[in-house]
Amino acid sequence: GAVVSQHPSRVICKSGTSVKIECRSLDFQATTMFWYRQFPKQSLMLMATSNEGSKATYEQGVEKDKFLINHASLTLSTLTVTSAHPEDSSFYICSAADGGGAGETQYFGPGTRLLVL
Amino acid sequence: AQSVAQPEDQVNVAEGNPLTVKCTYSVSGNPYLFWYVQYPNRGLQFLLKYITGDNLVKGSYGFEAEFNKSQTSFHLKKPSALVSDSALYFCAVRDDRGSTLGRLYFGRGTQLTVWP
Repeated sequence: GAVVSQHPSRVICKSGTSVKIECRSLDFQATTMFWYRQFPKQSLMLMATSNEGSKATYEQGVEKDKFLINHASLTLSTLTVTSAHPEDSSFYICSAADGGGAGETQYFGPGTRLLVL
Repeated sequence: AQSVAQPEDQVNVAEGNPLTVKCTYSVSGNPYLFWYVQYPNRGLQFLLKYITGDNLVKGSYGFEAEFNKSQTSFHLKKPSALVSDSALYFCAVRDDRGSTLGRLYFGRGTQLTVWP
């Protein structure tokens, strides 16, 4: 099956620093990747949609200058949390769409647990 | 607008018994429906999807789901539950048009607990 990796799986950082999270589709090309945030015992909240070679589309209420997204290739998208603060602590999950037309499926990475001290 | 509802926060079932996790949907176009499972501190794993064709869809780990257009439902089922099936299950519908093409809309999730 389609595999999506995410790195790092866990990161602890000091307030004010920036953190980069990588999302890779390992065995397929993904023109579209998605970034989600999940709070404990809650559903996923879509942050942004990332298309290869173009600017990301951010959901309402998500600061694009704080959550920088780069989709440099068909297999890699990165999310950088700039000047992180404790309220940014969360579980971040990416997904990659396999571009299967009507049958397109999103495959998810294992997630990154971010803790900002 | 697209949306899904999972009416049960929690489903408890004994090992070996059949399980059902409910999902209803609302779409303005074609219903492209998905089920995902999430284990603690992990991402979501794809279980199955309905795009078109047979109403009964078979997926991973012995799960299946039945698409019912008249009831706008897509319930997840398994004939015999395992303790290892205990996890958080998400139903989702995919947007098939407009500026939000490809976006998934998730239900709030149902925690399935299978006890020995």
